[in-house]
Parts: sequence; structure tokens; C-alpha cells
Amino acid sequence: NAGVTQTPKFQVLKTGQSMTLQCAQDMNHEYMSWYRQDPGMGLRLIHYSVGAGITDQGEVPNGYNVSRSTTEDFPLRLLSAAPSQTSVYFCASRPGLYSGRLYEQYFGPGTRLTVT
Amino acid sequence: TQLLEQSPQFLSIQEGENLTVYCNSSSVFSSLQWYRQEPGEGPVLLVTVVTGGEVKKLKRLTFQFGDARKDSSLHITAAQPGDTGLYLCAGAYSSASKIIFGSGTRLSIRP
Repeated sequence: NAGVTQTPKFQVLKTGQSMTLQCAQDMNHEYMSWYRQDPGMGLRLIHYSVGAGITDQGEVPNGYNVSRSTTEDFPLRLLSAAPSQTSVYFCASRPGLYSGRLYEQYFGPGTRLTVT
Repeated sequence: TQLLEQSPQFLSIQEGENLTVYCNSSSVFSSLQWYRQEPGEGPVLLVTVVTGGEVKKLKRLTFQFGDARKDSSLHITAAQPGDTGLYLCAGAYSSASKIIFGSGTRLSIRP
């Protein structure tokens, strides 16, 4: 199992550009989430999904879109990058409600994004 | 605004000392998790507590969930340099659909 994979690992964007951060998991997890982590801080929830076709907003959703067309993939789209979106982005997944391991969240290695 | 407040934000102690990190909220959570994060990596789950008053031990680490399920603590006995890292608490609400994180405690253990 590769676990949770994220691409790219590093990205530099200019203000106004758009891009998609990729996230994939091979553990057949129902729940997936995107977080951002600013220097020296904890993680803030951007968007999350409880299954294919179902997404919802987290604590800081503005400027980001998500979709979940398959169980495995959960891409995060930056619509028009701003310097305030400079951060490290983590994707996470966890098993579903009836797994007995609902709260066991696994994280990818992160994407380091700089917006100039 | 962080709904989960951790204290202290930074802690630097000598090897062999004991320490406690706190995670507090005004909200009730169905579960609380503790993670440890190394520089350049994603957080790694240490423990999950789900029952009010629950205590779990992981070698020299002791985790406790408050009776009202609004707070939690992490106690490390005889800290070692390998314990250095960022410790994060995270909470799931009753719907269990989303998990939010605290602000983190950066721990440094001096040899």
C-alpha cells in the first residue's frame, strides 16, 4: 500500500494563477480531508468528503474547490491563487463509520505551495 | 479562531523531566486524537480517546479525555530527546464527519 499520496511536493505560483493539488489513497477509505498548515501553527480544515460524490466545507474554504468523483481521489483546486494561500497543504483519509477505526486518520507527505 | 486551544505553545525541558500538554475547548467532542509531527512530514496518529474520563498509555505517554469530553491532556514521563516534535490534538464532533485541529505544542527536549 502506498497510503496517501500527494502531488506535487513543491509548487510556486504567481498571484491569479490556478492549479490543482492531487491526492490519492489506496486504502479504500470513505473519508478524505484537505488541511492547510501555516508556519508554526496547527492544521486548519479546508474541505472534507464522507464518500464519493459528497463534499462539504471546513473552517477555511474560501478560494478552494473540491470534488470527489471516485473513492480514491480528492483533488483540491485553487481558483485564483493569492499570497495568503502560501502554506503547506495536507491531504488525509480515514476509514468509514462501520470500520471500527473511524478516527484513524492517515496523512500524505504534504504539498508546499508558495504564491508570489 | 481555533476551537481547540493547546497550551503551552512552546515547551523546552531537560531530558528526564516530566511534562503535561493540555488541549481545551468549550465544545463537546465525540472523540479526541493526539498526533505527533516531525519537520517536513505529515502528522502521525498517536492515540484516540472516545469515552469521557478515559485514560490510555503508550509507553511513557499518558493520554486522558476529560469527563465532559471537552478537554484532554498528554503527559510524558522522563522525556527523551526523541520526544522532540510538534504535538497536535484534534477533535471530532458528534457527526464524526470532520476533524479539527488545535494550535499545536512545540516540544524540545534538551540532552
